[in-house]
Amino acid sequence: SSELTQDPAVSVALGQTVRITCQGDSLRSYYASWYQQKPGQAPVLVIYGKNNRPSGIPDRFSGSSSGNTASLTITGAQAEDEADYYCNSRDSSGNHHLYVFGTGTKVTVL
Amino acid sequence: EVQLVESGGGLVQPGGSLRLSCAASGFTVSSNYMSWVRQAPGKGLEWVSVIYSGGSTYYADSVKGRFTISRDNSKNTLYLQMNSLRAEDTAVYYCARDLAAGTGWFDPWGQGTLVTVSS
Repeated sequence: SSELTQDPAVSVALGQTVRITCQGDSLRSYYASWYQQKPGQAPVLVIYGKNNRPSGIPDRFSGSSSGNTASLTITGAQAEDEADYYCNSRDSSGNHHLYVFGTGTKVTVL
Repeated sequence: EVQLVESGGGLVQPGGSLRLSCAASGFTVSSNYMSWVRQAPGKGLEWVSVIYSGGSTYYADSVKGRFTISRDNSKNTLYLQMNSLRAEDTAVYYCARDLAAGTGWFDPWGQGTLVTVSS
């Protein structure tokens, strides 16, 4: 099955910009989606498709993609953005009916 | 309001079985692609299984042959039957709707139900 690789942890100063990346062969074929997960809570979809935000997600969250890399950018990070972030896409190796999640990135807001 | 509520988790011995339920409100389960995703303690998210609106089902290699995804249209509920459980199946299990069929854009998610496999 495909793999999606993320940096384990990143930090960002309050109000600054942070970019989280997700790398994998499946991203050459499928758009990633991004999820925010705070401790003890279920994941929440924050970006999907080319660069779409569900209702209620602040516009400081944006997404982009190039080649085998998808990125989630938080512009003007807030304290409440401190969380784990996961990417996800369909599996492009073998069985395309499967899905794969990234390894996750812990974002710390300083 | 679109909502998912899981139930059925608990403590089970290795080799045992458990059935998880995911009750939906605000939308029709049978008209959507629905998935189960799990998260072992302190670990990342792992996709487990999907059922398409047409009824086709698919599984991660880690659970294939042991888990069965299904739905009850009359109850608007998704299920995950888990057999031959192993310690490594210990996790919080979430159900989620595919926002657009086949994309893997999961929204919403349920609150999760904890499954612990231990003797």
